[in-house]
Amino acid sequence: SYVLTQPPSVSVAPGQTARITCGGDNFGSKSVHWYQQKPGQAPVLVVYDDSDRPSGIPERFFGSNSGNTATLTISRVEAGDEADYYCQVWDSSSDLVVFGGGTKLTVL
Amino acid sequence: EVQLVESGGGLVKSGGSLRLSCAASGFTFSNAWMNWVRQAPGKGLEWVGRIKSKTDGGTTDYTAPVKGRFTFSRDDSKNTLYLQMNSLKTEDTAVYYCATDYCTSTTCYFNYWGQGALVTVSS
Repeated sequence: SYVLTQPPSVSVAPGQTARITCGGDNFGSKSVHWYQQKPGQAPVLVVYDDSDRPSGIPERFFGSNSGNTATLTISRVEAGDEADYYCQVWDSSSDLVVFGGGTKLTVL
Repeated sequence: EVQLVESGGGLVKSGGSLRLSCAASGFTFSNAWMNWVRQAPGKGLEWVGRIKSKTDGGTTDYTAPVKGRFTFSRDDSKNTLYLQMNSLKTEDTAVYYCATDYCTSTTCYFNYWGQGALVTVSS
């Protein structure tokens, strides 16, 4: 089955830039989506199709996909960005959805 | 405004059954592909599966750990999605979210989520 690999944790100081990676095979052929989940809340889509943002998501959230790695970049990090972040793809070969293991973003 | 409200969660013994409901509003439910995603305590997200719209065949897809035990259904007249869970195991303990997806020929992502329903399976 298809596997997405994320670092368990990323720490960053307020005002700095956080980069959360997601690794998988043949990423160039897949669109990667990112979700933010705060404690006790449902996930929220923050980036879809590698780099598009839903309405209401700040421009500070930026997605990219190159080679076998997708990256969610959060610039000018705020305390309110502290959350778990998950990447997700659709594996066309199996018609199944796959999530990465999640990355806990800590704002120092 | 899109709303998804899960209900039916609770405590059940291993081997037992439970049915979750997800009441939808704010969009044309009959056209939507609906999904279940679960999250075990302190763990990550796991896609449980989906049921397509009747116009797209109403077919279902399940992740391997729940195949043969879980069944998705929908009542478009009531704008409600169901998850029937049988032969429950302790490892099925999780918060269960229903979610709508947006799919093209090359991708699917989840644009709206419910607040989740907690299912606890005791040994």
